[in-house]
Amino acid sequence: SYVLTQPPSVSVAPGKTAGITCGGNNIGGKSVHWYQQKPGQAPVLVISYDRDRPSGIPERFSGSNSGHTATLTISRVEAGDEADYYCQVWDSSGDHDVVFGGGTKLTVL
Amino acid sequence: QLQLQESGPGLVKPSETLSLTCTVSGGSINLSTYFWGWIRQPPGKVLEWIGSVFYTGSTHYKPSLKSRVTISVATSENQFSLRLSSVTAADTAVYYCARVTGTGGGFFDYWGQGMLVTVSS
Repeated sequence: SYVLTQPPSVSVAPGKTAGITCGGNNIGGKSVHWYQQKPGQAPVLVISYDRDRPSGIPERFSGSNSGHTATLTISRVEAGDEADYYCQVWDSSGDHDVVFGGGTKLTVL
Repeated sequence: QLQLQESGPGLVKPSETLSLTCTVSGGSINLSTYFWGWIRQPPGKVLEWIGSVFYTGSTHYKPSLKSRVTISVATSENQFSLRLSSVTAADTAVYYCARVTGTGGGFFDYWGQGMLVTVSS
């Protein structure tokens, strides 16, 4: 089965830029979606199809995907961005499966 | 504004069947554009997709859960449902229903608030 690897934690100072990676074999050939989850809440979609921002998501959130790594970048980080972030793909090889990464805890210092 | 709401028992005994329903409001489930999915999250752990259903009843299931999962749709009631059989403590989780948008498995753009289901005798 397809595996997505995320760093368990990322720390960043307010106003700086945070990068959260999502590694997978030839992930650049797949569409990657990103979710933000705050404690006790349902996940919220922040990026779809590698780099598309849904309505209502700040421009500070952006995405990229190439080779074996997809990246969610959060610019000008705010305290309210502190949350868990998950990447997600559809693995169409073999048994079709929706796969989530292990999640990354973003801490705003 | 589309809203989804999970409902069902919050406590299920081991070896029994977990049954949840998702009620969709603010939009029709009977559209050819979307699938409707179930995702779960054990306490303190990561998200896990369970499966998705189309309004026609066509389904996709997570391979590792396929033998125990049934997802169905009731278009007249604007609902879809999850049944997970032979549950164990490992099935204790917050269960979310969500709308699936896009091709090739898609992404989840609207979520219910989630419902904790505990498996315990």
